[in-house]
Amino acid sequence: QLVQSGAEVKKPGESLKISCLVSGYIFTNYWVGWVRQMPGKGLELMGIVHPRDSDTRYRPSFEGQVTISADKSIRTAYLLWNSLKASDNGIYYCARYDLNVGAFDLWGQGTVVTVSS
Amino acid sequence: SSELTQDPAVSVALGQTVKITCRGDTFRNYHASWYQQRPGQAPVLVFSGKDIRPSGIPDRFSGSSSGNTASLTITGAQAEDEADYYCNSRDSSGTQWVFGGGTKLTVL
Repeated sequence: QLVQSGAEVKKPGESLKISCLVSGYIFTNYWVGWVRQMPGKGLELMGIVHPRDSDTRYRPSFEGQVTISADKSIRTAYLLWNSLKASDNGIYYCARYDLNVGAFDLWGQGTVVTVSS
Repeated sequence: SSELTQDPAVSVALGQTVKITCRGDTFRNYHASWYQQRPGQAPVLVFSGKDIRPSGIPDRFSGSSSGNTASLTITGAQAEDEADYYCNSRDSSGTQWVFGGGTKLTVL
């Protein structure tokens, strides 16, 4: 399963790192993606990381806006903002991509991020 | 704009069959996976790009593809199928993945 860190309330300009702790499978065998869902909107893949070698790929609209990483020693993936904006409000999901299945087959419960002055 | 295009909303009468479509050039090379999201819940995989229906997903959900269009078919829609549905596939680079804009399914 994928267990995400709890809801966060931050001010614009602050930094934030949310986490996704993995259990029940070999962490280094699967890609992990981060997905944004802004209020009332659809799913957007932000980027993916492979914990085996930290190969990280960002969707163009998120390149330079966030940092995705993984620590295989503690089976945890991360999503980092250096300077939050009000437009970062939303729910953020981590999800495992299984190449054998051809899908994001396991999802975290989501982390609500609220950015407000 | 998304590389994968879905109709924003579709409706179906209870017990009837509905097809939710997703259009994109990527489908000439790759398959789609499909996700259901009910209000306030995380997305759930209902049909994968390798033609796999996860355990616990009713067999009324099936997927197909033709040309640049992938489809999720619900045969005999039930009230509990009312949800948002998203397709996902490889992006134009083929190096990662992208979601469609989502389709809101209403069961009448």
